[in-house]
Amino acid sequence: GAVVSQHPSWVICKSGTSVKIECRSLDFQATTMFWYRQFPKQSLMLMATSNEGSKATYEQGVEKDKFLINHASLTLSTLTVTSAHPEDSSFYICSARSGGSSYEQYFGPGTRLTVT
Amino acid sequence: AQKITQTQPGMFVQEKEAVTLDCTYDTSDPSYGLFWYKQPSSGEMIFLIYQGSYDQQNATEGRYSLNFQKARKSANLVISASQLGDSAMYFCAMSQNTGFQKLVFGTGTRLLVSP
Repeated sequence: GAVVSQHPSWVICKSGTSVKIECRSLDFQATTMFWYRQFPKQSLMLMATSNEGSKATYEQGVEKDKFLINHASLTLSTLTVTSAHPEDSSFYICSARSGGSSYEQYFGPGTRLTVT
Repeated sequence: AQKITQTQPGMFVQEKEAVTLDCTYDTSDPSYGLFWYKQPSSGEMIFLIYQGSYDQQNATEGRYSLNFQKARKSANLVISASQLGDSAMYFCAMSQNTGFQKLVFGTGTRLLVSP
């Protein structure tokens, strides 16, 4: 199956700093990528949908100025958490689709962010 | 709006037995997809099985089968011959089969397989 990687797998940062998380599709071109966050013992909540070369579409309640998403190429999307606070500590997971009629969506391994 | 409901926060099953994880959904879209994912403690989301709303037959993938009852809006996952490695969180999810096909997830069921 298709492979999606995320980097870093975990990161600890200080409150007020920014953190960038990368999501790469390694063996296919991802026309659409999704970013989810998952709090401990909870479900995945979609944050935003990004398409290559266009602005991301954010879900209701997600601050687009705080969570900057850039889908610069067909294999790379980045999520930047700006001015991170302890409440942003979470597990961030990306997924990618190659588009067309395929239903398949491939998930990255996730990034655990801890803000101190 | 689409909604997925998983009413079982936790399930226990003995090794080699079958277990059913419940999932009901709500949508007004005629075309949609239903998914089951497994999330072990490592956090990765592992795709298990998919059922399209127009599929006539229930989906099967190895030990996994999806009991799709469209009139009841249910999509239960059946795991046959449970193994210790099946212990994990299981999420039911739904997508619209149009547009970007973003997924809406249920709250999950934690399955524990005992020897």
